[in-house]
Amino acid sequence: DAGITQSPRHKVTETGTPVTLRCHQTENHRYMYWYRQDPGHGLRLIHYSYGVKDTDKGEVSDGYSVSRSKTEDFLLTLESATSSQTSVYFCAISVAGGEYNEQFFGPGTRLTVL
Amino acid sequence: QKEVEQDPGPLSVPEGAIVSLNCTYSNSAFQYFMWYRQYSRKGPELLMYTYSSGNKEDGRFTAQVDKSSKYISLFIRDSQPSDSATYLCAMTPTGANSKLTFGKGITLSVRP
Repeated sequence: DAGITQSPRHKVTETGTPVTLRCHQTENHRYMYWYRQDPGHGLRLIHYSYGVKDTDKGEVSDGYSVSRSKTEDFLLTLESATSSQTSVYFCAISVAGGEYNEQFFGPGTRLTVL
Repeated sequence: QKEVEQDPGPLSVPEGAIVSLNCTYSNSAFQYFMWYRQYSRKGPELLMYTYSSGNKEDGRFTAQVDKSSKYISLFIRDSQPSDSATYLCAMTPTGANSKLTFGKGITLSVRP
């Protein structure tokens, strides 16, 4: 399972509250990603990181911020959660040294914003 | 036009059937083509990948890429109830830093 954990696994929150999701990896992979998965949209990239303090936006980054102060942790923050951010969030890591971007996914966090 | 289009499904087949799952794409820069399998309430897991055009076989699964038509397929022979899952195609250009582009996924149900 590439040593990826996500916390919390489930969360219910109210509109306007801040929410932070954590992704933790145990194998010091350089690249980490946050995706959201919604019916009819598939997996969409929110943000990604290519090293400590090095992050960049994906295709659906509005309303989200990320931080990576340690190699093993990648945090996704919803500064003020909205109902449109109700989704399943997946963290992924990319295994370096391969021919292409082989990604492995965590178990997901199911977030409901009321 | 979306970069990657995948048949929306859902798809229901009897046990033992041959299943064909397909994706089309528009970006000719894509060189690596992947199929992920996702069980209910789990993260996607890599099932197979193929480089450029051609076929790749792994047990009951065959991945096929036709770059001239920008069309990829996953065939499942002798389908089993344990194959019931959502299947997502994904593709990327060459290079370890390139991002994946996913299809929306298709949910397959194999009836005993």
